[in-house]
Amino acid sequence: EVQLVESGGGLVQPGGSLRLSCAASGFSITTYWMSWVRQAPGKGLVWVSYANNDGSTKTYADSVKGRFTISRDNAENKLYLQMNSLRAEDTAVYYCARHAMSAFDIWGLGTVVTVSS
Amino acid sequence: EIVMTQSPLSLHVTPGESASISCRSSQSLLNSNGNNYLNWYLQKPGQSPQLLIYLGSNRASGVPDRFSGSGSGTDFTLKISRVEADDVGVYYCKQALQLPYTFGQGTKVEIK
Repeated sequence: EVQLVESGGGLVQPGGSLRLSCAASGFSITTYWMSWVRQAPGKGLVWVSYANNDGSTKTYADSVKGRFTISRDNAENKLYLQMNSLRAEDTAVYYCARHAMSAFDIWGLGTVVTVSS
Repeated sequence: EIVMTQSPLSLHVTPGESASISCRSSQSLLNSNGNNYLNWYLQKPGQSPQLLIYLGSNRASGVPDRFSGSGSGTDFTLKISRVEADDVGVYYCKQALQLPYTFGQGTKVEIK
């Protein structure tokens, strides 16, 4: 079965760091661009970052640029999001998503990040 | 950044009837290759989003033919024919033409 499973979320204080992981199964991420998308409580979907097949090209939303870093380990079939200098407004469910057909065709279940003192 | 605007933001539908959601983009999503880079997603209550429509009018695998996407350029429509109870949730359009990818605000569909 093709699926994505995120992990690494939790409660962190403002200014702290977290590293999210996204494990893929049923397919090789080597073939695909991958993205992170987040959803604040009760709010809509917001794209955060993407990395191309080999991770040589990465792009970020302005709201996280300079604080978040996307990476991937194709050998381990995993995508990561290193989040530093976290703020209250980063509180959200974080989804990883696979790019295909110019869309996000597979989404993970999400992992919850709460930034609070 | 391309701004996506959906309407209405809320919809109450009687089972068996049709529903339509509009999505407008601040820039044309029509590429020189003839494709419209517009997607539709459904997020059912308590679930992750799922892809319904890609490139404006193509149904994703497993999506019932009750769902159809149309439009070009800056104006797009998602039509749900013969609405069922399982169709409830929030529908989002998203542009995939350029980064940053941007979503509409979402349209909440409920059953009467």
